[in-house]
Amino acid sequence: DAGVTQSPTHLIKTRGQQVTLRCSPKSGHDTVSWYQQALGQGPQFIFQYYEEEERQRGNFPDRFSGHQFPNYSSELNVNALLLGDSALYLCASSWTGGFTEAFFGQGTRLTVV
Amino acid sequence: AQSVTQPDIHITVSEGASLELRCNYSYGATPYLFWYVQSPGQGLQLLLKYFSGDTLVQGIKGFEAEFKRSQSSFNLRKPSVHWSDAAEYFCAVGGGNNRKLIWGLGTSLAVNP
Repeated sequence: DAGVTQSPTHLIKTRGQQVTLRCSPKSGHDTVSWYQQALGQGPQFIFQYYEEEERQRGNFPDRFSGHQFPNYSSELNVNALLLGDSALYLCASSWTGGFTEAFFGQGTRLTVV
Repeated sequence: AQSVTQPDIHITVSEGASLELRCNYSYGATPYLFWYVQSPGQGLQLLLKYFSGDTLVQGIKGFEAEFKRSQSSFNLRKPSVHWSDAAEYFCAVGGGNNRKLIWGLGTSLAVNP
């Protein structure tokens, strides 16, 4: 079982650029959630995808968007990057049959310069 | 308001000593409670979870946690800490109609040899 995989592991972007992060969920999982973790902080929920639709969204601007594919993998897109978007972006997968624990990937470290 | 409080930002213990990390929550629905551990630059690994039933739950790596509804607490314990336990520990709550996890700010654990 490969677990949750994220790519890339590290990324450096310039202010104003756009970025796409990718996530493959754990085998058997159909739900993907994205979290932003700033340095020294706990994760903050961005949004969750299930059945290729955004099911719930946290308090993040529309610059943050996502997508889920038929194979349950997911992308997180951030437009018009700001310095404050620098963070560890974590993907978590779970199974939607009831509330279950989330399994996390290693994250993508995004640095905006 | 839904929130998780981890009162201790940083804790230092000696190897072999016992450990207790505190977690208090505020949540409108029946809470599902989690403890995760994060090593530097890494993703989050689930230590243990409480959904229902026995209020004392056992997890991986010798950790346990006790759910106390009257105190809105879910404290993490380990009888004898190992140097490899040094990491950041996060408490999280979810459940009900809310699909996201709400996180504390974390407790950083250092272990002295």
